[in-house]
Amino acid sequence: EAGVTQFPSHSVIEKGQTVTLRCDPISGHDNLYWYRRVMGKEIKFLLHFVKESKQDESGMPNNRFLAERTGGTYSTLKVQPAELEDSGVYFCASSFHSGTGHTGELFFGEGSRLTVL
Amino acid sequence: GENVEQHPSTLSVQEGDSAVIKCTYSDSASNYFPWYKQELGKRPQLIIDIRSNVGEKKDQRIAVTLNKTAKHFSLHITETQPEDSAVYFCAANRYNYGQNFVFGPGTRLSVLP
Repeated sequence: EAGVTQFPSHSVIEKGQTVTLRCDPISGHDNLYWYRRVMGKEIKFLLHFVKESKQDESGMPNNRFLAERTGGTYSTLKVQPAELEDSGVYFCASSFHSGTGHTGELFFGEGSRLTVL
Repeated sequence: GENVEQHPSTLSVQEGDSAVIKCTYSDSASNYFPWYKQELGKRPQLIIDIRSNVGEKKDQRIAVTLNKTAKHFSLHITETQPEDSAVYFCAANRYNYGQNFVFGPGTRLSVLP
């Protein structure tokens, strides 16, 4: 079974440019999360999709970040325009949702490292 | 909202010794507490988890304990080996529905041969 895949693995852009990160969750996982780890600090929550709906986007830092999950399959996270402080590793994770409130294991992708110069 | 603290931030132990990492959480509604291990350059992977209806869980050399009253939980690794060297993250599940996770800042464990 394929795991969570992310693309690109590493992106280097200049301040002011745009970058789009993509995440393909495990097939059948309704829950999809984006997290960010900056400078070796905590894995910080950005947002959570349940299928195509945004369940919680309270962690999105500002309106330069836009996440979509059209059709409830893969998701994209766009940063436009990128700033220096956006550098970090962006992790996507997915989990199965039982529909009865039971928590399932969170599976992570390998992350997309973003470097803004 | 939920806040998860984790200590220590770095930990060095001799091979064969035990390692303990502690986390505290703030939201009494949290009911699921997983631990993730992230080796250098790799993805975080679940190593053990515990639900709020259980006080302790063990899997070979790894164990987790939960104190709901005090709102803290700990990871115990016995007979440490060099391959245990990694960053360990604790997390708390904020919702019963929807599975939003809040992570601690991580502990970098180094097992010295």
